[in-house]
Amino acid sequence: QSALTQPASVSGSPGQSITISCTGTSSDVGSYNVVSWYQQHPGKAPKLMIYEGSKRPSGVSNRFSGSKSGNTASLTISGLQAEDEADYYCCSYAGSSTVVFGGGTKLTVL
Amino acid sequence: QVTLRESGPALVKPTQTLTLTCNFFGFSLSTSGMCVSWVRQPPGKALEWLALIDWEDDKYYSTSLKTRLTISKDTSRNQVALTMTNMDPVDTATYYCARSGVIGGRYYFDSWGQGALVTVSS
Repeated sequence: QSALTQPASVSGSPGQSITISCTGTSSDVGSYNVVSWYQQHPGKAPKLMIYEGSKRPSGVSNRFSGSKSGNTASLTISGLQAEDEADYYCCSYAGSSTVVFGGGTKLTVL
Repeated sequence: QVTLRESGPALVKPTQTLTLTCNFFGFSLSTSGMCVSWVRQPPGKALEWLALIDWEDDKYYSTSLKTRLTISKDTSRNQVALTMTNMDPVDTATYYCARSGVIGGRYYFDSWGQGALVTVSS
């Protein structure tokens, strides 16, 4: 399976909103509502931010939201804060009990 | 509190077999629905899912790497192991173990280890 496609980088100023896209195919994102998003700060392990496309685990700020349309999933961060600066990865079920990650997006808070 | 900790050699030679161990605390792999996966990340690159083992000892592998991977568990010792054969320099990466099956389902990794950096070099 091929990695999901994410923009290499996005940026925004504090207080603004940004959206990170994650484009797959009809074999993964398009066929299953099994999309998750992870935040990874430098030198740290990933952290689950969104699951089932739009649900937040306990403790994750409601500034983070997820959605999906067709073969593309999206992560939106509103009210951008300095601490949001990190790498973000999408992940989707890809059939046959396998998962595929996206290529990652570096978020810069200006 | 849930914790996972990876251990294994920091350096392996090309063609050798890598064996990593994930010791976990705060949950049991005998609990219905529980799963542990291995995920790797080459330096400066993206995450890549490798393998998953569930509470029933069912095992699933990355399509591209399945001929080289074996995942196993020792429930009594709270351990999951991963072996990868025929190591190559392109396999240099930080290897993470991660739990799933608690939030939403088996494909959402809600707890991760700190990662183990493995370098493949002669």
